[in-house]
Amino acid sequence: RKEVEQDPGPFNVPEGATVAFNCTYSNSASQSFFWYRQDCRKEPKLLMSVYSSGNEDGRFTAQLNRASQYISLLIRDSKLSDSATYLCVGSGYSTLTFGKGTMLLVSP
Amino acid sequence: DADVTQTPRNRITKTGKRIMLECSQTKGHDRMYWYRQDPGLGLRLIYYSFDVKDINKGEISDGYSVSRQAQAKFSLSLESAIPNQTALYFCATSEGTEAFFGQGTRLTVV
Repeated sequence: RKEVEQDPGPFNVPEGATVAFNCTYSNSASQSFFWYRQDCRKEPKLLMSVYSSGNEDGRFTAQLNRASQYISLLIRDSKLSDSATYLCVGSGYSTLTFGKGTMLLVSP
Repeated sequence: DADVTQTPRNRITKTGKRIMLECSQTKGHDRMYWYRQDPGLGLRLIYYSFDVKDINKGEISDGYSVSRQAQAKFSLSLESAIPNQTALYFCATSEGTEAFFGQGTRLTVV
């Protein structure tokens, strides 16, 4: 079983919709978690860190549930520019472990 | 200028050839990584290094070798390229939390 698992999607949503992505992890050694965004054929870039207390950055809200080993990302009021692949990432002592990514397609 | 620079950006090579992918970073980070990305498989770790004297195998190191020439430079070599090494390769650097990626090298082995 891969350490970080995500639904690959694609999630097709209209502009203005709210969409939620989930991610589960199996490696309890992962101490920090992140969401990265990757545009087609480009490098991944950090979207936001994820904390147990939950954190919000504009239209984006991330949440970590350590008891359930579950991470979520909520995007409100989706924009066309939100279309991308969203990667769930766990960070342990030595490396970053990436999920395979969830593709989001926002349509007009 | 980019924080992490990879060269070349694109490369087509023949089976059996030796090829080196280079990476340099200006972040001043000790940790550097090489990943490959394939459709449907996500990013997989090839090698990582915590400093110039520390090299570690990742998930899929077979067929690859690396060299950490300096804190800022980490190169990946394919000693004898094979077609299933066709992929998008990313170099990254971090201080343990956020990772910064290069723009990628698209390698095709024919």
